[in-house]
Amino acid sequence: EPEVTQTPSHQVTQMGQEVILRCVPISNHLYFYWYRQILGQKVEFLVSFYNNEISEKSEIFDDQFSVERPDGSNFTLKIRSTKLEDSAMYFCASSENWGQPQHFGDGTRLSIL
Amino acid sequence: GQQLNQSPQSMFIQEGEDVSMNCTSSSIFNTWLWYKQDPGEGPVLLIALYKAGELTSNGRLTAQFGITRKDSFLNISASIPSDVGIYFCAGITTSGTYKYIFGTGTRLKVLA
Repeated sequence: EPEVTQTPSHQVTQMGQEVILRCVPISNHLYFYWYRQILGQKVEFLVSFYNNEISEKSEIFDDQFSVERPDGSNFTLKIRSTKLEDSAMYFCASSENWGQPQHFGDGTRLSIL
Repeated sequence: GQQLNQSPQSMFIQEGEDVSMNCTSSSIFNTWLWYKQDPGEGPVLLIALYKAGELTSNGRLTAQFGITRKDSFLNISASIPSDVGIYFCAGITTSGTYKYIFGTGTRLKVLA
């Protein structure tokens, strides 16, 4: 069964550094998403992306965050200047279309030192 | 903002027992979904519900979309040790903008 893949599985970064998290969504899916899950808490929506532009974003997704689809397969989340509180699991998801169930990758654990 | 409240927050059950958990909101949702998350992994979709009143099964799992469209429940019958994990409900609403909201999660532990 096709799946969403994310790399790296674990990223350790110094506070203030830039970090890029990578995702390969399911190939025929048109909508892409990033979520964050702080340890022990619920999954929180960050941003949705369709047709090469952001379709919706949450209040968490501030100017430090950006997303990009640099080629036909990758979907990236960049955090420009990381803070301690950015430490979390970051999940990428994709859906076939608007309103359809989303399928999640296994996440990238981001640790900010 | 819209919230999905899940209950119970956690539960310990004996292997073989049935489990029931639910998800409620003050808002209406067009679609309800149930996910399971194992430690260190992403949520895996278990069941999707698209119509009010719909009852859907996936093996030992059964979920229902509440008539009011403000709630859903998930039942697991004859639990086994690999049912351990966190179960999240999620609701999709398309009134105004498209929103995909996760519940607070139910942590399930199964005692052999």
